[in-house]
Amino acid sequence: ILNVEQSPQSLHVQEGDSTNFTCSFPSSNFYALHWYRWETAKSPEALFVMTLNGDEKKKGRISATLNTKEGYSYLYIKGSQPEDSATYLCALNNAGNMLTFGGGTRLMVKP
Amino acid sequence: DAGVTQSPTHLIKTRGQQVTLRCSPISGHKSVSWYQQVLGQGPQFIFQYYEKEERGRGNFPDRFSARQFPNYSSELNVNALLLGDSALYLCASSYDNYEQYFGPGTRLTVT
Repeated sequence: ILNVEQSPQSLHVQEGDSTNFTCSFPSSNFYALHWYRWETAKSPEALFVMTLNGDEKKKGRISATLNTKEGYSYLYIKGSQPEDSATYLCALNNAGNMLTFGGGTRLMVKP
Repeated sequence: DAGVTQSPTHLIKTRGQQVTLRCSPISGHKSVSWYQQVLGQGPQFIFQYYEKEERGRGNFPDRFSARQFPNYSSELNVNALLLGDSALYLCASSYDNYEQYFGPGTRLTVT
């Protein structure tokens, strides 16, 4: 059973603050690491799929890095906005046919 | 293009009953996966189907079953419902078993 962990569980920041959270995973048999953004009552939205050690990806104010040797990925949000409030999930894809999710980081951005 | 759709949105059942949840993938996607998300935890993998064949199964009892139809839509069936089956059931479709696109889920409440 793979253990994917995310920290912190929840985070409250002020509008304009930059923030980051962590996803840790077993580094053996790595295939891909996915980040999703999940707003209440909506579908989880794919942010990034990362496959190579050292990968850095960016989408607007959100970016992510990947270290497959030590088994972690960071998600950064620059200048948080209230609309960034959501649960951010990471998921390990190690065999191409299933995702193992972490527990998520719930982000709340106060105006 | 329509995203992944799921029906029904909400469902209330009694212990011991049976339930069927439905999922329509994005047009052109041949793979469908099912996940269970219990409050406060990340989604857990239940099944994956590709071209109507089961390609993966998570750690769920035999009360859980699924199938995929020739049009690639899928049903998840749960027999002999328990209170612990109360959860959000997510369906995800994929073209290449790599990036998965999620539907909004079916909220099942077992009383």
